[in-house]
Formats: sequence, structure tokens, C-alpha cells
Amino acid sequence: NAGVTQTPKFQVLKTGQSMTLQCAQDMNHNSMYWYRQDPGMGLRLIYYSASEGTTDKGEVPNGYNVSRLNKREFSLRLESAAPSQTSVYFCASSEGPKTGLFFGEGSRLTVL
Amino acid sequence: ILNVEQSPQSLHVQEGDSTNFTCSFPSSNFYALHWYRWETAKSPEALFVMTLNGDEKKKGRISATLNTKEGYSYLYIKGSQPEDSATYLCAFMNTGFQKLVFGTGTRLLVSP
Repeated sequence: NAGVTQTPKFQVLKTGQSMTLQCAQDMNHNSMYWYRQDPGMGLRLIYYSASEGTTDKGEVPNGYNVSRLNKREFSLRLESAAPSQTSVYFCASSEGPKTGLFFGEGSRLTVL
Repeated sequence: ILNVEQSPQSLHVQEGDSTNFTCSFPSSNFYALHWYRWETAKSPEALFVMTLNGDEKKKGRISATLNTKEGYSYLYIKGSQPEDSATYLCAFMNTGFQKLVFGTGTRLLVSP
């Protein structure tokens, strides 16, 4: 039972480099989310996708783009990484707005 | 901006103590309120999803109540055990969007 799978788990980038965080869920969930976790700030929503084919901005979308490739996959792209994007990133999915989120294991990104 | 506040920020109790935390959220346009437990080095896990004013949920020694008219929810832990040590997060969803906004959490430490 894989649940929500994120890759990579760790990544070090230089300022200005680009990268994509991949997320896939095997629970046939409609909604998917990307959060970042920073000390003292809890989980902040970057982007979410309520259903396949739709994406919307969260609280902190600047510097990120997302793609809901299909129902299973929701990727997060950093086009030009900045040190302020050093964080732990969590992908999550849910059946719908009245059900709990299932989280991936997190991806630790360091931007030098 | 949706403001979700949790108190206290941290709590240290002895094994066997009962404890409770508060989550405050906007009282207008309520859709759902979630509670999660987040253990160190793991991912958040859903405890409860509550949608109706007056809702009460229970799972073992943990229970939660909801007051949507005044915008607060309480999480109770009866007879705390060391394995209850974790950060407890609440998250709010309003009717206009399907994004889930988290509070910064209450960090609970239960000493044997």
C-alpha cells in the first residue's frame, strides 16, 4: 500500500536552478495539495488541485508552478530556486473536501 | 487571508494527566474543520474531520468538539500517555474554496 509517494526525498540546489517535485497517489483521490513546512510557521499551502484538470493558488504560490498531470499525479516545479524556498515539502491527497488528507513522507529541499 | 490560531503553542504534562487544546478559526463561511496528529520524523495523520456545529468526535482517549458559530474547536486527551507526544494541528476549510489552511499547531510532550 504505497499511499502518497513523493520524489525526491532530499535535494540540494544552487540558486537559480530549476527542479520538479513529483507526487503520486494510488487511492483514486480527487483532491491533491502541496504544502511547505518551515520552523514556527506550520504547514502553508502552496497550490492545490480540487480535481483532475484544475489547480488553484494557496497561501504562498509565488515562485512555484504545478501540474495535475492526471488523477494520480500532481507535480510542483521551482523554475528558479531561491534560498527562501529551502523547506520541507509535503504532498497530500484526499477523496474530497470533507475527508482527511493523506500525506506523503516529505521532500527536504535545500537551496544554496 | 484565513487566520487559524492554535493555543497553547506547547504543553508539557505528566503521564495520566488530561489535557485540551484550542483551535480558533473564522466563524463565517464554515465548511469543515480537521484535526491531525504529527509525530516527529513522520507525516501528519488525520484524527477527525468535523463539518456540523455541535459535532463531537471520539477516537480512543482523544475527542474533539466543534462550535462553528463562535469559531472554535477543542481537542481533548484523557489520561495522556508518552506515545501521545506529538504536534496536534487543526485545519480550516471555508465554503468558497477547497483549500485547507492549517494552524501552527500545539506541541504536546507527555513525560512518564
